[in-house]
Amino acid sequence: DSGVTQTPKHLITATGQRVTLRCSPRSGDLSVYWYQQSLDQGLQFLIQYYNGEERAKGNILERFSAQQFPDLHSELNLSSLELGDSALYFCASRSEGQGATGELFFGEGSRLTVL
Amino acid sequence: AQSVAQPEDQVNVAEGNPLTVKCTYSVSGNPYLFWYVQYPNRGLQFLLKYITGDNLVKGSYGFEAEFNKSQTSFHLKKPSALVSDSALYFCAVREAFGGGYNKLIFGAGTRLAVHP
Repeated sequence: DSGVTQTPKHLITATGQRVTLRCSPRSGDLSVYWYQQSLDQGLQFLIQYYNGEERAKGNILERFSAQQFPDLHSELNLSSLELGDSALYFCASRSEGQGATGELFFGEGSRLTVL
Repeated sequence: AQSVAQPEDQVNVAEGNPLTVKCTYSVSGNPYLFWYVQYPNRGLQFLLKYITGDNLVKGSYGFEAEFNKSQTSFHLKKPSALVSDSALYFCAVREAFGGGYNKLIFGAGTRLAVHP
């Protein structure tokens, strides 16, 4: 158990809909990362938050957005869903303190299926 | 930009035999390298990392990795494979994006199949 919690584990929805994925980082971790894993694109970095502020954006579509709340949990919002958005969405966290060497701790993922 | 390459989509090995999963990297500066394993329908689990120091790094579940600067490689190894090692393995490199923050860039993954 990595200590990172993601809900829901599975989600099936229709094209055009909107969903929200939720992540709670490990206790004490201020950074949250979102990754998308699909068969054709592999693991792609989407976005990172640190203590409530966005720090970096990767290959995140404009239809997607995220935020990190004061209690440090994060939500990834996916809207106007398309078939190609079907994927596993992972949240990861880590400590950014002095001496931290960079490994991420991943949740179990949220599997999104768009029909 | 930093990158890693995993040249093999799949590696097949018999149980009890040694296994190697290959990874090469391209970085500017000193590399921070990682290996992760993903079992079916699970998240990625951290196996080991190379930051500095000894070129042979030991990690979880009996895995080790050898850092080779001249060949820009960071191959994952295990002396004796188990059927339960069958999984998807990812090599990753740290990429800084300023402000002291960084992210991990992952390779495409290598599927390891250990046969009884």
